[in-house]
Amino acid sequence: KAGVTQTPRYLIKTRGQQVTLSCSPISGHRSVSWYQQTPGQGLQFLFEYFSETQRNKGNFPGRFSGRQFSNSRSEMNVSTLELGDSALYLCASSLAGTPIEQFFGPGTRLTVL
Amino acid sequence: TQLLEQSPQFLSIQEGENLTVYCNSSSVFSSLQWYRQEPGEGPVLLVTVVTGGEVKKLKRLTFQFGDARKDSSLHITAAQPGDTGLYLCAGAKAGKSTFGDGTTLTVKP
Repeated sequence: KAGVTQTPRYLIKTRGQQVTLSCSPISGHRSVSWYQQTPGQGLQFLFEYFSETQRNKGNFPGRFSGRQFSNSRSEMNVSTLELGDSALYLCASSLAGTPIEQFFGPGTRLTVL
Repeated sequence: TQLLEQSPQFLSIQEGENLTVYCNSSSVFSSLQWYRQEPGEGPVLLVTVVTGGEVKKLKRLTFQFGDARKDSSLHITAAQPGDTGLYLCAGAKAGKSTFGDGTTLTVKP
């Protein structure tokens, strides 16, 4: 069974631009969560989608948004990029209704210049 | 507010040594997961513990969940260079997972 895939793996943007990251969960998994990982803050929860609905949300500004499609694939969007948005963005999928045991993708490394 | 504290933050040991890393909280969790992450990759789930006092073994790794379900430990016996990585614990509560900041382990040959 294929694992969680994320595209692109690396991305370089400049301040003020926007970016869209994509995540394809493991087949059959309906919950997708997004995390931001930085050396100083660790793994920070962004949001979780289940059956196309945002079920949980972390403490990030409205510039961070996401959505989930009927095939469970998910995208997250960051608008008006800031230098501090440089991070590894991780997507995780889970089988059950509660995203406890999560399977992570390799991440998208975003660099904002 | 950091709900999960991991210690030590960094650990560098020689191959063959034993080690224990800790994950502590003042909150009670319904379950707790341990993950290992290698540079440039996403975390990989190692184990889930659910019952207070539960002990699980995965080859040379032993995981324990505290009796009160507030803390956990990971013990590695005879560490190998392949054990090098970032070890993360995650506590589950009300359908949400909170991650600790991790322990970076380096095992030198």
